This record gives sequence, structure tokens and C-alpha cells, in this order.
Amino acid sequence: QVQLQESGPGLVKASETLSLTCTVSGDSISSYDWSWIRQSPGKGLECIGYIDDSGSTHYNPSLESRVTISADTSKNQFSLRLSSVTAADTAVYYCARRRYTSGFYFFDYWGQGSLVTVSS
Amino acid sequence: DIQMTQSPPSLSASVGDRVTITCRASQTIRSYINWYQQKPGKAPKLLIYGVSSLQSGVPSRFSGSGSGTDFTLTIASLQPEDFATYYCQQTYSAPWPFGQGTKVEIK
Repeated sequence: QVQLQESGPGLVKASETLSLTCTVSGDSISSYDWSWIRQSPGKGLECIGYIDDSGSTHYNPSLESRVTISADTSKNQFSLRLSSVTAADTAVYYCARRRYTSGFYFFDYWGQGSLVTVSS
Repeated sequence: DIQMTQSPPSLSASVGDRVTITCRASQTIRSYINWYQQKPGKAPKLLIYGVSSLQSGVPSRFSGSGSGTDFTLTIASLQPEDFATYYCQQTYSAPWPFGQGTKVEIK
């Protein structure tokens, strides 16, 4: 059974960098793509980006200048860094597995979510 | 960017009802649409991918249809555990947006 668990600070100051880590169990992160998705009352569900099984990253163009997704295969973890945060970045952040089957991509396993609040 | 518009934003229904949720894309997304169910305080759960392929373990009362720009999620006979918010998502092009959701409430 694949399980994902987000970890990181729940409170980040405005203008600083948000950092989260997703620990994956039951699967190797080298075998699939791994994503970050966030959910806020104002913007709903939003794909932040993903790191593919070759280590290449793909970002939402609206966040690309501030986002870095990386992976540590030795720890079976992948991480999100979002710089220069503002109140608009306050959201629940999810990590998820991005799977490709029969010509289609989808998110089939998700973490429980991590609430990150940006304070002024 | 391709926009995804769901309707209705919310609906009230009774156990046993047939429920239909619609998602419209601002331009063609061919068959690249997924549907998710989310309950309060939980992560979204994949129901359907590629318009109509049922994810493993999802009850057969859920079905999807459509092509191009107009898509439908149907719950054939609403069960108590189906009261939740449902989201469509297109994976045809970045940034792979979700719809705004449809909340299915108890009548």
C-alpha cells in the first residue's frame, strides 16, 4: 500500500521560503512522477508541479519563478520550496503520486495534507 | 490556459437519487479529464480517469462520459457515503487545472 506523508512548518512568515517534504512508503520514488498540489478557499485545488521519474521538473507557469521541487531517492522523499511567500500562499499542501496508465495521467495516491499559514 | 467550469456549484439530493455533475472546458481537452471526490478534512480521492475509466475499488454506480469540451460525472444511485465535493481536472495541458467543485448535500 502506497502512503505519502507531508511534513514541515505550519507557519511561515511573509517574504520567506515555504519548505515541505513528502515521505513515500510502499513504492520507490524512482518509479513514478511525484507532485505537489495545494488547496485554498480562494483558488480551490491548484497543481504546483511535479518531478518525473527521470528527475525532470515541471511547474505551473504561474508559480514557476518561485518553485523548486526536488527528490532524494536515498530517503525516498521529495520536497517543495516556494519562495517569497505571501498571504495568498496560505493553503493546505498535498503531495501526490502522478501515474500514467492507458494514455492518461492522474493523481492516484495523496498525502493527508499539510496546512501552511503565511503570517505577516 | 484552459479553464474548467463545473455545474452546479452545489446540489441537494436524497439517497437513491441519480445525480449528474457537469464539467465544461474552455477548449477541447479530448479525453483528458479526471474526477475526484473529496470529503471534509480529507485529500481528494480519484474516481475516474480518461473520461470513463473507473479507478480500482470505486463502486460501479459512478460513471463518466463526454468528449471534447463537455463532460459528465453520474452517480446512478446516491449512497450516504457519496455526500462530498466532486472535482473535475483536465490533464491535456499545463497547468492541469481543476474545476471549482460541486458539493453534493443531503436533501
